[in-house]
Amino acid sequence: GIQVEQSPPDLILQEGANSTLRCNFSDSVNNLQWFHQNPWGQLINLFYIPSGTKQNGRLSATTVATERYSLLYISSSQTTDSGVYFCAVGDAGGTSYGKLTFGQGTILTVHP
Amino acid sequence: SQTIHQWPATLVQPVGSPLSLECTVEGTSNPNLYWYRQAAGRGLQLLFYSVGIGQISSEVPQNLSASRPQDRQFILSSKKLLLSDSGFYLCAWSPPPTEAFFGQGTRLTVV
Repeated sequence: GIQVEQSPPDLILQEGANSTLRCNFSDSVNNLQWFHQNPWGQLINLFYIPSGTKQNGRLSATTVATERYSLLYISSSQTTDSGVYFCAVGDAGGTSYGKLTFGQGTILTVHP
Repeated sequence: SQTIHQWPATLVQPVGSPLSLECTVEGTSNPNLYWYRQAAGRGLQLLFYSVGIGQISSEVPQNLSASRPQDRQFILSSKKLLLSDSGFYLCAWSPPPTEAFFGQGTRLTVV
């Protein structure tokens, strides 16, 4: 099956700093999503981005499908950005039915 | 707009007891439905998915089963829980097959 690797595994920042999270995947995808898992465990949809670039406030994401990676940028980080960030991909194979394979996540801690 | 409901939020069950977790989706029809589990640590693992009523596919052999008795209802069950079934269970839906949306999850502790 498709493999998803996220880096770095852990990231500690001071409030106001910028960061880049990376997601590498091993095969063609028809779906790529970035999630933020809050302290209560809920997965918050950040981006649906199988290709291209999107921005939402201080967050932006870029997926280069031909090179099999995606980047999540967080600018001017805030303490509320703390949590786990997941990348998840859907295999482009014909019978994928939208199933997602998750990376192991990046634990982000933002200190005031 | 579409919403997904999952309950209960937390559950403590003794080993050997049965399990039933329910998930319902509102505001859409014929969604793809999924059950994922997140063990202590990080990654989420797909357990079951369904593309229609009565259609269930299992991704991982285990002590659990799933059913879809209605279009927008997905149930995760076990006849006898094991300690290893503890974890965080999340239900998800997608318009087939695009962006997935997750419920708030059920934290299951088997004691």
